[in-house]
Amino acid sequence: AQKVTQAQTEISVVEKEDVTLDCVYETRDTTYYLFWYKQPPSGELVFLIRRNSFDEQNEISGRYSWNFQKSTSSFNFTITASQVVDSAVYFCALVRGNQGAQKLVFGQGTRLTINP
Amino acid sequence: EPEVTQTPSHQVTQMGQEVILHCVPISNHLYFYWYRQILGQKVEFLVSFYNNEISEKSEIFDDQFSVERPDGSNFTLKIRSTKLEDSAMYFCASRPNRVVDYGYTFGSGTRLTVV
Repeated sequence: AQKVTQAQTEISVVEKEDVTLDCVYETRDTTYYLFWYKQPPSGELVFLIRRNSFDEQNEISGRYSWNFQKSTSSFNFTITASQVVDSAVYFCALVRGNQGAQKLVFGQGTRLTINP
Repeated sequence: EPEVTQTPSHQVTQMGQEVILHCVPISNHLYFYWYRQILGQKVEFLVSFYNNEISEKSEIFDDQFSVERPDGSNFTLKIRSTKLEDSAMYFCASRPNRVVDYGYTFGSGTRLTVV
């Protein structure tokens, strides 16, 4: 079975600080995909990134970066120079395989609060 | 950019009543899902649907729940006799054949309040 653990329930930082959200996953599959979603106060799920198990390259998108390490089964998310608009709940998720009706398995989420 | 559309955005119902939540997935997607999120908690899988039948369902998806794709475009979730604990945000999602092609697209959710 697949499992995603986000050990940090809540994080609060002051604007402009860097912050890292941790994600640890469990799966026995060799092919899988990892995701990060943002859930702002309005409630929708906003897709941030998808990463497949064969691509361990780190990715940077503006102030966002992701560090994927298979050796530690982690897919951590860093926000550099955080802004108040980054305040949201962030979910890490995992899906096994590439085809079939595979479901996304979500972590518990990390509530990030950026204080001005 | 194609969207998954969910209606209504908010529904209030009395305990014991039937509710139907509506979703219009992306037209060329093949796999359809319902997820539930109780306030302040994680997003939980309810059911997946493919080729006009249920592929997988979770323990939450008991006999009170059912899904349908009645006309090839809509994808509905029915709760026959709502309970207070059914109050949650319900998300519909769809996906093309391969995860690598695009991944999962979620609707903006229906907030169900059972009173």
